[in-house]
Amino acid sequence: AQSVAQPEDQVNVAEGNPLTVKCTYSVSGNPYLFWYVQYPNRGLQFLLKYITGDNLVKGSYGFEAEFNKSQTSFHLKKPSALVSDSALYFCAVRDMGYRDDKIIFGKGTRLHILP
Amino acid sequence: EPEVTQTPSHQVTQMGQEVILRCVPISNHLYFYWYRQILGQKVEFLVSFYNNEISEKSEIFDDQFSVERPDGSNFTLKIRSTKLEDSAMYFCARNRQSSGNTIYFGEGSWLTVV
Repeated sequence: AQSVAQPEDQVNVAEGNPLTVKCTYSVSGNPYLFWYVQYPNRGLQFLLKYITGDNLVKGSYGFEAEFNKSQTSFHLKKPSALVSDSALYFCAVRDMGYRDDKIIFGKGTRLHILP
Repeated sequence: EPEVTQTPSHQVTQMGQEVILRCVPISNHLYFYWYRQILGQKVEFLVSFYNNEISEKSEIFDDQFSVERPDGSNFTLKIRSTKLEDSAMYFCARNRQSSGNTIYFGEGSWLTVV
């Protein structure tokens, strides 16, 4: 079965510093990988995805993610963190079913940006 | 892209009661999903729905749960005889087409069972 792992429950970063939220994956076949963000008391917002092509994927709000096949990783990054980036971040992977696809989420990483 | 619309945003129900959560997706979307998140924890897959029938369901989606799209528009999740542990945020999601297209989520329905 497809899965993703987020090794950190929480990440603290000072405002203005670069941030990284880690994700590793385990899939059979080509991985389709996603990042979602959840702000307090809100739904899940799509940030970016990797399907194929360039290993560096750019997404919403200045976020990007780097796909690394040899390390089976898909870490989320941002060059300069904002306090408003504080949220719960989920890495996810496509799981192909018999007739359709669903996505499977990691446990989430809470990102705290310190002013 | 527009998200799906979910109702109610919050519902409090007594244990043992039935609950219906509703989702209004865009009409040309064929794939729909329900996910559950307990208290800000991991988001768990419940069920996927394609062409007006269940495509896949998880172990969580037992006989207590059912889904349907009765009028070809609203997509509903019914929870019969609710239990305390059913308290969670329930997300409806949709996908215009399978094979890698992004799944977009609604804002969620927060269910509290007392």
